[in-house]
Amino acid sequence: NAGVTQTPKFRVLKTGQSMTLLCAQDMNHEYMYWYRQDPGMGLRLIHYSVGEGTTAKGEVPDGYNVSRLKKQNFLLGLESAAPSQTSVYFCASLRDATNEKLFFGSGTQLSVL
Amino acid sequence: AQTVTQSQPEMSVQEAETVTLSCTYDTSESNYYLFWYKQPPSRQMILVIRQEAYKQQNATENRFSVNFQKAAKSFSLKISDSQLGDTAMYFCAFRSNTGNQFYFGTGTSLTVIP
Repeated sequence: NAGVTQTPKFRVLKTGQSMTLLCAQDMNHEYMYWYRQDPGMGLRLIHYSVGEGTTAKGEVPDGYNVSRLKKQNFLLGLESAAPSQTSVYFCASLRDATNEKLFFGSGTQLSVL
Repeated sequence: AQTVTQSQPEMSVQEAETVTLSCTYDTSESNYYLFWYKQPPSRQMILVIRQEAYKQQNATENRFSVNFQKAAKSFSLKISDSQLGDTAMYFCAFRSNTGNQFYFGTGTSLTVIP
């Protein structure tokens, strides 16, 4: 039972490059979230999804896109990476609206040079 | 939008002593959940304790307990008999009963001193 798996765990990009972070959960959860964690700022919500085929903006969506084509996967894309996107990215999932326990992945450390 | 405030960026405590981490929040909702998450150096987010707003009794999980003051919108975490393994970043979080989002505070870095 893997839970929430994030790929990759570390990545270094040059300014302007693109990349996709993959989040996969094997718990049949409806809701999935992407957060970024920066020193002194806690976790801030980038985008989230309440079901397959749906996405919504969070607190800091600019510069990111997401897709939820399959229920188990939630992809976070950076089309043109900027140094301000250097951060630790966390994916999380929630069974459904009636549940309150959030399951987290182990995070992706992204550096944009 | 809801806001969660942790006013103590860093704290330290002697091993075996008790420490209290503060959290306040702002909401107009009446039903919601509050959480404390622990993030050790491994970076993994671990749920420590949760409280449902409609329950007046404070939640307790072994050495961890909360002081939930709904009227004051305060949700502090008390760690008793502190252990070296408690060294971590601690995040307070809020979720409305009707909303889809979780809101996190900025975190408190706790160091347990041997």
